[in-house]
Amino acid sequence: AQKVTQAQTEISVVEKEDVTLDCVYETRDTTYYLFWYKQPPSGELVFLIRRNSFDEQNEISGRYSWNFQKSTSSFNFTITASQVVDSAVYFCALSEAEYGNKLVFGAGTILRVKS
Amino acid sequence: GAVVSQHPSRVICKSGTSVKIECRSLDFQATTMFWYRQFPKKSLMLMATSNEGSKATYEQGVEKDKFLINHASLTLSTLTVTSAHPEDSSFYICSASPHGQGNYGYTFGSGTRLTVV
Repeated sequence: AQKVTQAQTEISVVEKEDVTLDCVYETRDTTYYLFWYKQPPSGELVFLIRRNSFDEQNEISGRYSWNFQKSTSSFNFTITASQVVDSAVYFCALSEAEYGNKLVFGAGTILRVKS
Repeated sequence: GAVVSQHPSRVICKSGTSVKIECRSLDFQATTMFWYRQFPKKSLMLMATSNEGSKATYEQGVEKDKFLINHASLTLSTLTVTSAHPEDSSFYICSASPHGQGNYGYTFGSGTRLTVV
């Protein structure tokens, strides 16, 4: 069974602070894919990143960075110098190819960035 | 590329009526589409997998007669909430990925907020 845990229900930071959103996953597959999505108040899901299980390289995209650690089954997301526009719900998700590519989502973390 | 259009974005209906939600892949073909449901301040839960030309696969606990899914073409899947009741009020969102590209890129529609009064 697949499971994604986002233990942080809500995080509040002040603008320009760095913030890390945690994601821990469980899967029996050796091939799997991890995702992060942003859901602003309007509701749509904005794709941020996909990482496959064979690629443990960390990734940086502007103020966003991701740390994938297979040894701890974690795929954490860091926002550097947070901005008010970063306020949203962030979801970590897991997909196992053999199950038809459905996504299993974590509970989500509400990020509030205050000016 | 890889745009998914979902319509309507908001709908209010009376209890006992049916509501149809459309999910279209605009610039790619999707043999498989997925329907998720999201309660307020909750995560997204997969309801069913929509397969073009065949029956949808429903997740455990989802009533197939309540949530009818039709995937008649490679670019359109519809979800019909039949005999809607207030407890069906929720945010429904579909997703698809470009044909043949498996896990490479999941695109979501903008979602439909259903309110049953």
